[in-house]
Amino acid sequence: DAGVIQSPRHEVTEMGQEVTLRCKPISGHNSLFWYRQTMMRGLELLIYFNNNVPIDDSGMPEDRFSAKMPNASFSTLKIQPSEPRDSAVYFCASSRQGSGRMNTEAFFGQGTRLTVV
Amino acid sequence: QQPVQSPQAVILREGEDAVINCSSSKALYSVHWYRQKHGEAPVFLMILLKGGEQKGHEKISASFNEKKQQSSLYLTASQLSYSGTYFCGTGDDKIIFGKGTRLHILP
Repeated sequence: DAGVIQSPRHEVTEMGQEVTLRCKPISGHNSLFWYRQTMMRGLELLIYFNNNVPIDDSGMPEDRFSAKMPNASFSTLKIQPSEPRDSAVYFCASSRQGSGRMNTEAFFGQGTRLTVV
Repeated sequence: QQPVQSPQAVILREGEDAVINCSSSKALYSVHWYRQKHGEAPVFLMILLKGGEQKGHEKISASFNEKKQQSSLYLTASQLSYSGTYFCGTGDDKIIFGKGTRLHILP
């Protein structure tokens, strides 16, 4: 298995532009998580999906952020409009959850380093 | 609720031991431990479940005190490859990570 695949690996964009980050989870995994990592705030959970349904989006910072999971093999995280404070590394992770609980490991993608100038 | 890790940073010489602690203010179903090297993604080390089940790498050991809502990760006879940032994560249906413990091993 190729693992969790994220694209692009690096993104540099100008303030005000729309940014779309993409994630392909491991086949057979039923949970998908989007995290944001910065020096100041650490590894923050933004949103997670179970069986393609958004379960908890309480970590999404504001309305400029949105996430979708149209099918079991693809998810997007969109920022519109982007701001310099959105600069961070964004990780996608997937796992095979049992009984609605995190009783197995989560596998992380390599991340997307976003820079908004 | 974000778990609290201690210490924030540790510097060891190769061969020395270290303990990293993680505590939560709410009842825990599971505790997850990950290690992240600079510029890389977090990598799974171990999961400890309520009731005593553990899954993880053979060379890693950890404890989980359900009553105290605490977990500790034990790194014995540290090697240079152990350097990195260690995160504990807690949660029922998702993982909320602590701020991490930076571990640096000197030769």
